[in-house]
Amino acid sequence: GQNIDQPTEMTATEGAIVQINCTYQTSGFNGLFWYQQHAGEAPTFLSYNVLDGLEEKGRFSSFLSRSKGYSYLLLKELQMKDSASYLCAVSSNTGFQKLVFGTGTRLLVSP
Amino acid sequence: DVKVTQSSRYLVKRTGEKVFLECVQDMDHENMFWYRQDPGLGLRLIYFSYDVKMKEKGDIPEGYSVSREKKERFSLILESASTNQTSMYLCASKTGAYEQYFGPGTRLTVT
Repeated sequence: GQNIDQPTEMTATEGAIVQINCTYQTSGFNGLFWYQQHAGEAPTFLSYNVLDGLEEKGRFSSFLSRSKGYSYLLLKELQMKDSASYLCAVSSNTGFQKLVFGTGTRLLVSP
Repeated sequence: DVKVTQSSRYLVKRTGEKVFLECVQDMDHENMFWYRQDPGLGLRLIYFSYDVKMKEKGDIPEGYSVSREKKERFSLILESASTNQTSMYLCASKTGAYEQYFGPGTRLTVT
């Protein structure tokens, strides 16, 4: 089976940097996705990692270590609008590459 | 831009009613998914479809069925709604190993 762990809640200050961790256990790893979800809205895609290392996209970066079953999402220069839930999801090459989602990390950015 | 639409944003049904949730995508994606999202449990996969008339059970298919008669449309059916099916229902679509695109969600309340 698959197991994904991420912290339930985090708080940070506007302008700061925050790192949201995700650990996973899966067979046939085929990529890790990060999604952002504002309250009452649908998740939107942020990043995709399939190889080890850091992927940078503006203020957001995502890191993957396949040997450690570990990823993190790094958010820089935090803004109030970054207050949202961040979902880690793992794809495996079994079962039609469906995604298994973690329960999400709710990030609260304060002034 | 990929667009995934769902037939209703909010729905209230009575216990025992048959409920249809419709999802339409406009990007010719072969894969479509139905999730439910509950506090503390995250996104859980109910059913998915990788082609017209094809369907696969997800992690929590009990009490649900699906229909995919056309490539762009994926329907979720609650044969006899129960109060424990009160939830947010999210539809998603994707092609290949790429990210999933989500619809806006349907918040279903069963009384």
